[in-house]
Amino acid sequence: AQSVAQPEDQVNVAEGNPLTVKCTYSVSGNPYLFWYVQYPNRGLQFLLKYITGDNLVKGSYGFEAEFNKSQTSFHLKKPSALVSDSALYFCAVGYTGTASKLTFGTGTRLQVTL
Amino acid sequence: GAGVSQSPRYKVAKRGQDVALRCDPISGHVSLFWYQQALGQGPEFLTYFQNEAQLDKSGLPSDRFFAERPEGSVSTLKIQRTQQEDSAVYLCASSLAQGDSNQPQHFGDGTRLSIL
Repeated sequence: AQSVAQPEDQVNVAEGNPLTVKCTYSVSGNPYLFWYVQYPNRGLQFLLKYITGDNLVKGSYGFEAEFNKSQTSFHLKKPSALVSDSALYFCAVGYTGTASKLTFGTGTRLQVTL
Repeated sequence: GAGVSQSPRYKVAKRGQDVALRCDPISGHVSLFWYQQALGQGPEFLTYFQNEAQLDKSGLPSDRFFAERPEGSVSTLKIQRTQQEDSAVYLCASSLAQGDSNQPQHFGDGTRLSIL
């Protein structure tokens, strides 16, 4: 079975400061890892993915994530937060051979203030 | 280009009624997924199609839930004899993937189902 943990329900950060949203995963086999963002009353929007290769993955809107195999983590980061980044962020995991079935975390609400 | 389209956006039904939710995926996308998102939770997998074949329905919560994609394009999720615990947002996603889970899934805006 595969699972994802997002330990923080909410992260608060001031605009211009760096942000980190945490994610840890559990999966048998090599993981495929994703970050999605959800705005109110909208579906999920793809931000970035890790499949293989460099542990630092760059994605949309200046976001990046670092894959750490030994810690089974895939934390989302951004060097300088914007108020418009305020939204709900979901980490998800799949793995080879599962034909695309994704397991999502419970989400972390990011609040960026002026 | 057009994204994944879901209809209706909102559906209110009385307990015991049947409902049908429609998903129109991105043109050319082979794979189609249905997820259920309860309030305050992440999406949970329901079922997966590759073209018209339903390859995984392990997430369907009961035999009241039924999904089809007869021509490998539009899909319908049907819930029979609805119950209050069926109230949730139902999300549809599509991807180019053919049995390869490293392609990102593109989501529609969902159908918010409320059972009274």
